Amino acid sequence: GAGVSQSPSNKVTEKGKDVELRCDPISGHTALYWYRQRLGQGLEFLIYFQGNSAPDKSGLPSDRFSAERTGESVSTLTIQRTQQEDSAVYLCASSLSYNTGELFFGEGSRLTVL
Amino acid sequence: TQLLEQSPQFLSIQEGENLTVYCNSSSVFSSLQWYRQEPGEGPVLLVTVVTGGEVKKLKRLTFQFGDARKDSSLHITAAQPGDTGLYLCAGVQGEYGNKLVFGAGTILRVKS
Repeated sequence: GAGVSQSPSNKVTEKGKDVELRCDPISGHTALYWYRQRLGQGLEFLIYFQGNSAPDKSGLPSDRFSAERTGESVSTLTIQRTQQEDSAVYLCASSLSYNTGELFFGEGSRLTVL
Repeated sequence: TQLLEQSPQFLSIQEGENLTVYCNSSSVFSSLQWYRQEPGEGPVLLVTVVTGGEVKKLKRLTFQFGDARKDSSLHITAAQPGDTGLYLCAGVQGEYGNKLVFGAGTILRVKS
């Protein structure tokens, strides 16, 4: 498709398990962003990539969170040893570059940690 | 504590009524964006305002950026059920880049 694609759309996991969330940005978009949206709250910045580099990881909540991007395309957000407070919708967005262009968001991955 | 405070948090109105949503901060932003998000979907950009005092219109929606670039408002005239959704404001800090700081949003419900 032409938009940002995220998978899985829904993930239910047990506390302590690791999860991987995937984002396929719009083709040609060099910048990619991860945000977290908790119920009743706004979007919380996690990390962004320009190409395959992550100049700003300041929003990652703890060292249990990591992200990578390969081929200036797909990105994976990994959460290790999940906790109940990690439950949220994880949104990915892409733009032409970090300095230009509108952000286009995917539909998000809803993570529930039991 | 939210860097951008939105009010009201929730608004339920009848079709045809007017409404205003506010987005306030003590920080200055180089630009401010408004998004609408529907359940199960990602936010979609409505408008970007850049200049202090700027007013932009998008059909029945009017967006204003405060003179000091610390606040913004969204006014909807003659609301329709299709306007229902979560409205988010987001500010860009610094002179470049797309690192957005989001408000908590205003849930709007327009009843027919």
